[in-house]
Amino acid sequence: DTGVSQDPRHKITKRGQNVTFRCDPISEHNRLYWYRQTLGQGPEFLTYFQNEAQLEKSRLLSDRFSAERPKGSFSTLEIQRTEQGDSAMYLCASSLANSGRAYNEQFFGPGTRLTVL
Amino acid sequence: KQEVTQIPAALSVPEGENLVLNCSFTDSAIYNLQWFRQDPGKGLTSLLLIQSSQREQTSGRLNASLDKSSGRSTLYIAASQPGDSATYLCAVSGGAGNNRKLIWGLGTSLAVNP
Repeated sequence: DTGVSQDPRHKITKRGQNVTFRCDPISEHNRLYWYRQTLGQGPEFLTYFQNEAQLEKSRLLSDRFSAERPKGSFSTLEIQRTEQGDSAMYLCASSLANSGRAYNEQFFGPGTRLTVL
Repeated sequence: KQEVTQIPAALSVPEGENLVLNCSFTDSAIYNLQWFRQDPGKGLTSLLLIQSSQREQTSGRLNASLDKSSGRSTLYIAASQPGDSATYLCAVSGGAGNNRKLIWGLGTSLAVNP
C-alpha cells in the first residue's frame, strides 16, 4: 500500500495523559500537513512541514501540542495533558510540490480518532 | 480571511438522479480547489483537483467546475447510485505564503436512496 498511513487508528485516553500519533506520508512527498476534524465540521489546519522544517503552526495548536518530522519522512503529533476538548479525528495529508509539479494535491490518511474521557 | 461555504448542507435523492453540489469561497486568490468524499467515521478521499487556471475537471460520473472570479465551484454527479452516499467536502488552497494549506467547507451530506 503506497498511500498515507496513520497509527493508531483509534486512541482512548484519560484526561491528563499524553498521547502521540504517527503519520507516514507517501514516500516521495515532501510536504506533510496535520488537520483536526470534530463531528459535523470540516477539517481545520493545524501545522505544516516541508521536508523536516515546520513552516507554519495554527493558533489552534496550543503549547500542549507538538509536531515533528525529524528526517523529512514520517511525522509525529504529540498532545500533552489531554483535555476532553481534544477529542477529534486527527488527519494527516501529504503532497508533492517541486518546480516541475505545482498541483500540490493533498492525499489523506485514514485518520486517528482520539477520545479523551 | 478565506471562508468556504457549501450548499446544501444535506441532500436526499432517489437513485439515478443527476445532482449538483455547490461550493463558494470569499477570496478568489486561490491556488487550487479540491473536492473530497468522506464516509462516516473515515478519512478523506480526493475526488477531483482543479488548478486555479482551469475551468473544470472530470472523473467518471463526476464533473467539477471552477469560476474563480465569482468564487464558486460545483460538483456534478451523474446518474447517482446508493454507493455515492457520503459527505462531500470542498477545500481551497490559499494564496498567502507557500504552505498551500486547505481551507474547508462544512460539507454536503448526500443520501442516494435505492
